[in-house]
Amino acid sequence: EAGVTQFPSHSVIEKGQTVTLRCDPISGHDNLYWYRRVMGKEIKFLLHFVKESKQDESGMPNNRFLAERTGGTYSTLKVQPAELEDSGVYFCASSHLGGDEQFFGPGTRLTVL
Amino acid sequence: KQEVTQIPAALSVPEGENLVLNCSFTDSAIYNLQWFRQDPGKGLTSLLLIQSSQREQTSGRLNASLDKSSGRSTLYIAASQPGDSATYLCAVRPIPGKSTFGDGTTLTVKP
Repeated sequence: EAGVTQFPSHSVIEKGQTVTLRCDPISGHDNLYWYRRVMGKEIKFLLHFVKESKQDESGMPNNRFLAERTGGTYSTLKVQPAELEDSGVYFCASSHLGGDEQFFGPGTRLTVL
Repeated sequence: KQEVTQIPAALSVPEGENLVLNCSFTDSAIYNLQWFRQDPGKGLTSLLLIQSSQREQTSGRLNASLDKSSGRSTLYIAASQPGDSATYLCAVRPIPGKSTFGDGTTLTVKP
C-alpha cells in the first residue's frame, strides 16, 4: 500500500510569489490533515478535510492560505502571496473515516526568500 | 487549550541502554495519544497509538504507557541501538481529528 505522498519535496520562492503544495493521501482515506512546522516550533495543525468538506480549519493562520480537496481525493494548499514567516515544513496526513491512526507524508519544505 | 511538553529535549546514551522519553499534556480529556519518530529530512513514522481507555501499548522493543489522570505518557525503549537515533514526537488528540504535538525529544544512541 502506497503511503501519503507530497509534492514538491522542496520549494524555494520569493516573498510575494504564490506556491501550491499537493498531498495525495493513502487510497481510501477520507480524513486528510495539513500541519506545518515553522523554524524552532512544534508541528501545528492547519486544517482537516473529511472527504471534500472542511471539517476544521481553525489552524489556518490567515486568508493567504487556501486549501482545497476537490473530489475528495488529493488536496492542495496554496499560499498567496507568500511571506517570510511562511517558511517551514508542511506535512500532510490521512486516516480512515473513524480511524484513529494518522499516517504522515514526508513533508514539503518551503523556503520563502 | 491543550499544551504538550516533551522532556528531555535531547538525550544521548550509549548503545544497549534502556531509556524513557516523557510526554505531558495539560488537558486530560483526550481521545488518544500517538508516538512518532522522525528521521532528519523525513516524514513522521507512527510508532504506537494508545487509546484513552488503554494503559499501554507494546511493539517490539518499544512500550508506551498512558496515565490520563496525571496527563502523562512515557515511551520506553529497551536495549537501544544506533538505528533508534531520531526525534521522537508525541501527539495528543482531544477528539478524532487534529493532533497537538510536543516539541519532540532528539535521541542519539552512540555505538
